[in-house]
Order: sequence, then C-alpha cells, then structure tokens
Amino acid sequence: LAKTTQPISMDSYEGQEVNITCSHNNIATNDYITWYQQFPSQGPRFIIQGYKTKVTNEVASLFIPADRKSSTLSLPRVSLSDTAVYYCLVGDVSFQKLVFGTGTRLLVSP
Amino acid sequence: DADVTQTPRNRITKTGKRIMLECSQTKGHDRMYWYRQDPGLGLRLIYYSFDVKDINKGEISDGYSVSRQAQAKFSLSLESAIPNQTALYFCATSDITGTGPTGELFFGEGSRLTVL
Repeated sequence: LAKTTQPISMDSYEGQEVNITCSHNNIATNDYITWYQQFPSQGPRFIIQGYKTKVTNEVASLFIPADRKSSTLSLPRVSLSDTAVYYCLVGDVSFQKLVFGTGTRLLVSP
Repeated sequence: DADVTQTPRNRITKTGKRIMLECSQTKGHDRMYWYRQDPGLGLRLIYYSFDVKDINKGEISDGYSVSRQAQAKFSLSLESAIPNQTALYFCATSDITGTGPTGELFFGEGSRLTVL
C-alpha cells in the first residue's frame, strides 16, 4: 500500500482558499487518490477521488501532477463549517484494505 | 434512518468483560470494515470482510474478533476488554465491482467504548 504524508495541521480564515497537499511517492499505476473529511465524533465522509490531472466537484478540487507522487485538495472559500480533519488515501479497486493516516487538521477562523 | 447503523453508540464496561459492537447496513454492500480511532489519531483498520464467507485481519486485530452474520451485519467482539481498547469504533461499508476507481466508504456514526 502506498504510504501517504500530510501536514499535521493547517490554519485558515473564512473566505480563503485552502490547499492541502498529500505526498505519496510510491503510488502504484492502478492506484486512485481519495480524500475524506471527518468532523469530531463522526465517521469520515468522502469528498473527492481522482487518478490524474484535475477533478472538480461541488465541494472541492483535486489536483494531481503528471508524476502522481503528490496530490492537492483545494477547498475554495472555506467557512467555519469546513473545520475538520482531512485524510488522503491511496489505493486501487483490487485493494485489500484502505488505510487512513493521521490526516490534516484544518482550523478555519472568523 | 442511517444507512449504516452501529449499536451501542456509547458503552462503559469493566476490564475483563466481553463486549460486542454491532453494525448493520441497508446499502446492500458486500464489503464491511471495522476501524478504531484514538484521540488525535487517524483510523486504524481492525477487520474487514468482502462477503459473508470472507474475513480478514487488519492492522490491529489482536484482542478483537468479528462475525459476519449476513451481508448486512458485521459484529466486532472484544472477548476480554482492557483499558487500552477504550476508543471510538467505526463500521464502514463499500461496494466495489469491476475496474476503475475505488469505491466510496460509508461510515456509521461510531460506537464510543470506555473500558475501566
């Protein structure tokens, strides 16, 4: 399984764009990159998934460079409700198990 | 109603007691998982099951056992609870078929277990 590395924490203010980068140097050819969001005392929730280049949905964008050794989750114009822990996972459809790291704790202030 | 339901939501027990956490799902997914989360840490995989006849150990299976009673039910047992098993436990499901992206994990609301 590809190991991922993320910053432990990040701070931002309401209305700003937040970019959280995940490093996955040993990502395999068949691996996809998935991001989850977790609020306190709740289970993680799927945000976005991608394989290469850029993926955008109503919540976030995911940027993946050509070498795929890293990825960046972009949250446009964050609000206080975006304060949460964000996890980056790497795996493919044949994966035997999904492993969560410690994630990035994002704090959004007024 | 929640698609993935965990019971109990909160439980306090004593060292040495047997505890069972139950998970049921209405999503019709084949794959089910049990994760454990400790304060300030990410989720760690305890056991996972890809169908009723398939049970696999995760990262931290020691001290735990599971039972997949049906496609919709996956139970986690602590045969003899100890204080360092105090944690928040999550059940999750996913449905992955064919090729392509990994499926989305759907989590329950969690079961907070305290072992005194």
